[in-house]
Amino acid sequence: GENVEQHPSTLSVQEGDSAVIKCTYSDSASNYFPWYKQELGKRPQLIIDIRSNVGEKKDQRIAVTLNKTAKHFSLHITETQPEDSAVYFCAARARYGKLTFGQGTILTVHP
Amino acid sequence: DSGVTQTPKHLITATGQRVTLRCSPRSGDLSVYWYQQSLDQGLQFLIQYYNGEERAKGNILERFSAQQFPDLHSELNLSSLELGDSALYFCASSGGGARETQYFGPGTRLLVL
Repeated sequence: GENVEQHPSTLSVQEGDSAVIKCTYSDSASNYFPWYKQELGKRPQLIIDIRSNVGEKKDQRIAVTLNKTAKHFSLHITETQPEDSAVYFCAARARYGKLTFGQGTILTVHP
Repeated sequence: DSGVTQTPKHLITATGQRVTLRCSPRSGDLSVYWYQQSLDQGLQFLIQYYNGEERAKGNILERFSAQQFPDLHSELNLSSLELGDSALYFCASSGGGARETQYFGPGTRLLVL
């Protein structure tokens, strides 16, 4: 089955800096890659997603890049703010299949 | 608010007991997914239903079962509870097929004492 590896497990940045979280996946049939943000005790919230026919997608300060050949995708957050502090999960899904999540990255943005 | 509702919000019970968690998907969504999130683990996929039928199964224990009803709400039944079953249980829904974005409910926090 699909296996998703996420790095780093923790990330600490200063306010205003950029943050990058990387994920690799194993199933070449995967074609949908969402990113979720989860605050403590709250539900995971979709922040951005990308499909395999696109190499990059951007939404304000958040961007995701996908390299299908290398089977990895990354989340980029620019101009980080303290409210960006949360756990971020990447996921991968083959066509109509289940989502397989990475282990999560705890992002801390220091004011 | 994602539009996915879950009840109850919190549940405290004893080992050996049985509980039922309930989920109502977003209006129009046909697929329901159940996930377990423990403190030391990420989001573990349990099971998926699509329009009343089981679509995919993950690492779901035999003590756990689920179903999706004609009105598309779903229930997750956990029986013979153990201390290790204490976790956050999330339900998510999606339109199904090409409408694959999953929206999560607020979760049910289960504590087994």
